[in-house]
Amino acid sequence: GNSVTQMEGPVTLSEEAFLTINCTYTATGYPSLFWYVQYPGEGLQLLLKATKADDKGSNKGFEATYRKETTSFHLEKGSVQVSDSAVYFCALSTGTASKLTFGTGTRLQVTL
Amino acid sequence: DTGVSQDPRHKITKRGQNVTFRCDPISEHNRLYWYRQTLGQGPEFLTYFQNEAQLEKSRLLSDRFSAERPKGSFSTLEIQRTEQGDSAMYLCASSLEAVNYGYTFGSGTRLTVV
Repeated sequence: GNSVTQMEGPVTLSEEAFLTINCTYTATGYPSLFWYVQYPGEGLQLLLKATKADDKGSNKGFEATYRKETTSFHLEKGSVQVSDSAVYFCALSTGTASKLTFGTGTRLQVTL
Repeated sequence: DTGVSQDPRHKITKRGQNVTFRCDPISEHNRLYWYRQTLGQGPEFLTYFQNEAQLEKSRLLSDRFSAERPKGSFSTLEIQRTEQGDSAMYLCASSLEAVNYGYTFGSGTRLTVV
């Protein structure tokens, strides 16, 4: 079956620090990969996506590259802000139903 | 377009009672999904509709759960004889067909069974 493994949090960083949140996956077939973000009190929002190997998804300064050889989709940002504090979920989808399989989420706390 | 709407935002119910949640998807989206999220976990797939047809259900969806999407528009999720283990955030999402570009999620309904 499909599964997603994320690094455990919480991750605490100072503003302007470099961020990496690791994500690896196991999938049957050829998945599409996603990062979703959940800000406090809000619903899940799509942050970025990649649908094939070596694709790089990017949005709001965040990037992730679909690495088929290492089955990874690590999230990076060069300089985090306090407003990036949230829970980040890595996810994959396969098949015609496009149902998502999520990781357990990584909480990011950015301090001044 | 106001996105995906869910109602109510919060629901507290006594064990054994029935509850029903509503989801209004983005109007042009023909796919609708229900997920459940417990504290500290990622969302888990429950079921999905393409138009009015319920095409897949997770094993998580016991006989006490039923979902409908009459006329392919809004959807309802009913839980009968609620148990404390049903306490969770119930998320609805919608998307266009056959495109792996990601869904739009609603803000969810938080259910607390006491």
